[in-house]
Amino acid sequence: GAGVSQSPSNKVTEKGKDVELRCDPISGHTALYWYRQSLGQGLEFLIYFQGNSAPDKSGLPSDRFSAERTGGSVSTLTIQRTQQEDSAVYLCASDSRDTQYFGPGTRLTVL
Amino acid sequence: QKEVEQDPGPLSVPEGAIVSLNCTYSNSAFQYFMWYRQYSRKGPELLMYTYSSGNKEDGRFTAQVDKSSKYISLFIRDSQPSDSATYLCAMRRINTNAGKSTFGDGTTLTVKP
Repeated sequence: GAGVSQSPSNKVTEKGKDVELRCDPISGHTALYWYRQSLGQGLEFLIYFQGNSAPDKSGLPSDRFSAERTGGSVSTLTIQRTQQEDSAVYLCASDSRDTQYFGPGTRLTVL
Repeated sequence: QKEVEQDPGPLSVPEGAIVSLNCTYSNSAFQYFMWYRQYSRKGPELLMYTYSSGNKEDGRFTAQVDKSSKYISLFIRDSQPSDSATYLCAMRRINTNAGKSTFGDGTTLTVKP
């Protein structure tokens, strides 16, 4: 596709359930990023992939959060045992040299 | 203390006004500076980026960087209602052409017709 796509666009879940968020980066982009944006806040870095490896996982807030990338393309962010404070918009971006292109985000609501 | 501080706003201006959006930073390792625009319920969209101190102009937008003061600004001339959005500054280290960006918290701008 022409841009970064993310699915689902919205996810409502109950506290304690696991969720998977998907990102399809722009074809050919080797770098992929996950950020989190809480209401009225800037973007909080979560994890960065170069190819299939993750040289920087420093932003993952707890061991309930994990991410993988396969085939140097699609990435999945998994949140286990979701908590209400996990409610936010999760944004994915892919990188062409100096420019990060963002997807529309997944709005996660944990009840 | 956050590495990047952004003037919080919100800002409300009449159509045609000049808008100034500002960020300061504390980490001198930041060498690459960006401004993003984010419409409601959309992902951020890159407006401008620059490596150098000084001004960079693109149409009605001018990005200004002062590395000695660790201060960056975005100016919007002849503002339009379509400029109403949240503006985010972001920066990262020069020695990575990939790698995380650090963002300000954003300034919400409303341009009234």
